[in-house]
Amino acid sequence: QKEVEQDPGPLSVPEGAIVSLNCTYSNSAFQYFMWYRQYSRKGPELLMYTYSSGNKEDGRFTAQVDKSSKYISLFIRDSQPSDSATYLCATSHIDTGRRALTFGSGTRLQVQP
Amino acid sequence: DVKVTQSSRYLVKRTGEKVFLECVQDMDHENMFWYRQDPGLGLRLIYFSYDVKMKEKGDIPEGYSVSREKKERFSLILESASTNQTSMYLCASSFGGGPAGSPLHFGNGTRLTVT
Repeated sequence: QKEVEQDPGPLSVPEGAIVSLNCTYSNSAFQYFMWYRQYSRKGPELLMYTYSSGNKEDGRFTAQVDKSSKYISLFIRDSQPSDSATYLCATSHIDTGRRALTFGSGTRLQVQP
Repeated sequence: DVKVTQSSRYLVKRTGEKVFLECVQDMDHENMFWYRQDPGLGLRLIYFSYDVKMKEKGDIPEGYSVSREKKERFSLILESASTNQTSMYLCASSFGGGPAGSPLHFGNGTRLTVT
């Protein structure tokens, strides 16, 4: 079993829709949670960063962490064609000693104009 | 803005060749990483380094080695390239003084094809 599971999609939605992207993880030691966005032929770029449980909002994006169910979500409101990309969730232990992240496999999102 | 630069966007090499992938970051980050990205498998950690001349194995180090002689430069070496090493290779860096979950900053990747 992978430590972080993510539905690969593709997910296709019309412009203006609310998008929900989700990951589950197996290791309760994970404390840091991130979402990266990766456009085609580019490296991933950090989108959202949260510590422990709760919600974090940044413009049209909301990251949500539920540690009790080991579930992390990214919501995109009023989705735009420019949001079309692959979204990767990532997690990290509070102190692994290796300072690396564990990634989900990514969900490909297509927002149709 | 942090800039992580990978020297090649595309590489085509033959089986058995020795391959060098170079990565340079300009933000004085202590930590540097090499991942490979494959469809359905996501990003998998090959090696990382948290200081000059220091290196640690990641999840899939077999067939690879690394070199970090200067803080800003981290090289990935394929000693004898094989077709199963055809992949997208991503270099990343992060601040070493923060918590274990410091965000990574990625380069744009090197797509390596081994024929």
